[in-house]
Amino acid sequence: RKEVEQDPGPFNVPEGATVAFNCTYSNSASQSFFWYRQDCRKEPKLLMSVYSSGNEDGRFTAQLNRASQYISLLIRDSKLSDSATYLCVVNNRDGSGYALNFGKGTSLLVTP
Amino acid sequence: DVKVTQSSRYLVKRTGEKVFLECVQDMDHENMFWYRQDPGLGLRLIYFSYDVKMKEKGDIPEGYSVSREKKERFSLILESASTNQTSMYLCASSLVGGYTFGSGTRLTVV
Repeated sequence: RKEVEQDPGPFNVPEGATVAFNCTYSNSASQSFFWYRQDCRKEPKLLMSVYSSGNEDGRFTAQLNRASQYISLLIRDSKLSDSATYLCVVNNRDGSGYALNFGKGTSLLVTP
Repeated sequence: DVKVTQSSRYLVKRTGEKVFLECVQDMDHENMFWYRQDPGLGLRLIYFSYDVKMKEKGDIPEGYSVSREKKERFSLILESASTNQTSMYLCASSLVGGYTFGSGTRLTVV
């Protein structure tokens, strides 16, 4: 069973659009949640942590629903530079401490 | 900013060779990790370490070993490289929470 599942996309949206990515995780004991961004042929970089109360960073909003084991990322007013793969990431606390499980990523292409 | 440095960006090795991938971090992080990333499979954890001389198997340790003799350095070893180990290898370190990744080593085994 996959631990972190994401819609692979690709999502093709015009500049200025709002786009939402969803993710589900299987380990109910997970404690930490993140969204990472990965550009083509580059390493993943932390975009934002996800908190139970929801959190916002500029045009980006992350939400966590522990009961449904569901995480979301909303991007408002999309920019061309937002084109990348977005990875949903959940920690694995059943004995492996801070090891993180990565979803396979959702590809976003923002077009002019 | 934390810096995680992987010694090689691109590497080509022959089948059967012993291969060393080196990773160094400069922020005194306890935790270090090795992943490989393949198209359609995402990032998969190979090995990780919580402290010097400590190591734990990840999801796909077969064919690999690791060494952590100093806190800042975590090495991945391919004992006898095979073509199915052609991949992008990513090292990461963390204190708690999110990781910082190195820029990756693209290994091709021919």
